[in-house]
Amino acid sequence: EVQLVESGGSLVQPGQSLVLSCAGSGFIFSDSALHWVRQASGKGLEWIGRVRIRPNNYATEYGASFAGRFIISRDDSRNMAYLQMNNVQPDDTAVYYCTRTLLHTFDYWGRGTLVTVSS
Amino acid sequence: DIVMTQSPDSLTVSLGERATINCESSHNLFYSSNNNDYLAWFQQKPGQPPKLLIYWASTRGYGVPDRFSGSGSGTHFTLTISDLQAEDVAVYYCQQYYTGWTFGQGTKVEIK
Repeated sequence: EVQLVESGGSLVQPGQSLVLSCAGSGFIFSDSALHWVRQASGKGLEWIGRVRIRPNNYATEYGASFAGRFIISRDDSRNMAYLQMNNVQPDDTAVYYCTRTLLHTFDYWGRGTLVTVSS
Repeated sequence: DIVMTQSPDSLTVSLGERATINCESSHNLFYSSNNNDYLAWFQQKPGQPPKLLIYWASTRGYGVPDRFSGSGSGTHFTLTISDLQAEDVAVYYCQQYYTGWTFGQGTKVEIK
């Protein structure tokens, strides 16, 4: 069974950094690009970015709102992906989802981890 | 960025009736080299992550009931839920994956 499990969400103060993790299982992790998507409470879905697979040099791509502040990485030896969030602000408060692409678009999602930014 | 616009924002339908959701893209999503439209539909129920319903504009995801169907090409797409069931109450999102990934604002489907 394909599973993606996010962790690391917490209450953080504005200006701090936070790293979210995504653990994959039940599939060949190294074959899938990994993405992060967020959703503020009662709002829609916002794509953050992705990290590609080794043949594509683990290239990363980000949505315009996130480039330069968020960093996505992966460790295929541990079946893990990461989202480093720097200088977080209150409007970064959201549920953060990990999802993957293999043949087309986001076919499996984790259940998400909640990040709350507040002083 | 490609902008995805859904209509309506919300929809109330009787059990057993048809629900129709429209999605318009600011850019042509049809890629002629593989004859595919890079358009997907997701269903999200409260407290759950999104679930992939349709990809390539009209291909149902694994285990998705055949009352869900997708149509359209280019810049105009439609998700149809025929014979609406109580468990179909959710928010539905269209998404383009032609260039990057962007979602529509969502359409909330409720039972009349």
